[in-house]
Amino acid sequence: DADVTQTPRNRITKTGKRIMLECSQTKGHDRMYWYRQDPGLGLRLIYYSFDVKDINKGEISDGYSVSRQAQAKFSLSLESAIPNQTALYFCATSDSGLAGDEQFFGPGTRLTVL
Amino acid sequence: AQTVTQSQPEMSVQEAETVTLSCTYDTSESNYYLFWYKQPPSRQMILVIRQEAYKQQNATENRFSVNFQKAAKSFSLKISDSQLGDTAMYFCAFMKLVSGAGSYQLTFGKGTKLSVIP
Repeated sequence: DADVTQTPRNRITKTGKRIMLECSQTKGHDRMYWYRQDPGLGLRLIYYSFDVKDINKGEISDGYSVSRQAQAKFSLSLESAIPNQTALYFCATSDSGLAGDEQFFGPGTRLTVL
Repeated sequence: AQTVTQSQPEMSVQEAETVTLSCTYDTSESNYYLFWYKQPPSRQMILVIRQEAYKQQNATENRFSVNFQKAAKSFSLKISDSQLGDTAMYFCAFMKLVSGAGSYQLTFGKGTKLSVIP
């Protein structure tokens, strides 16, 4: 079984709809991240969390919110989706405290906003 | 602000040949980490290799090696004996400690699309 899972894998929605992307991990890591990937732009950090009580904004947090329901679960919400939020979204995890820790990525969610 | 630049949007290489992907970065920090991630058509992000800035020895992982030039802020990836399974997007990434936050954050380049030709 995959260590980092994301649901759904693909989603098409309409402008103005509320969307939630979910991430679960079985690696026992404290730190979780949400990135978006756009063609030609690489991955950019949206939000990250060190533990259940800690949430931090990343480079491009506007229009997004997150919830860390448990150590293993980190959800990303788009309160009112807009077409320029069409992208590939990745969740990632890493162990806590060590410099240079590898980030382990989920399989991604492809979101299309019409 | 840290930036990571991959100047080659696309590259191709013949199977069994060697190819080098370029990456430069901009930072005023003295200690940091650099990574190469691979994203095959399955879109899964996979760590290829990592380098710690204060280690002078270039990292190697089987057919993958880096040429780390700290003064030039260059971190290129060499793939030897290219295989069809190496066809993927390759992302260079820079990690540093975020002051006051106690966290390490990754900044990615825009990627290089590598095609291995049979």
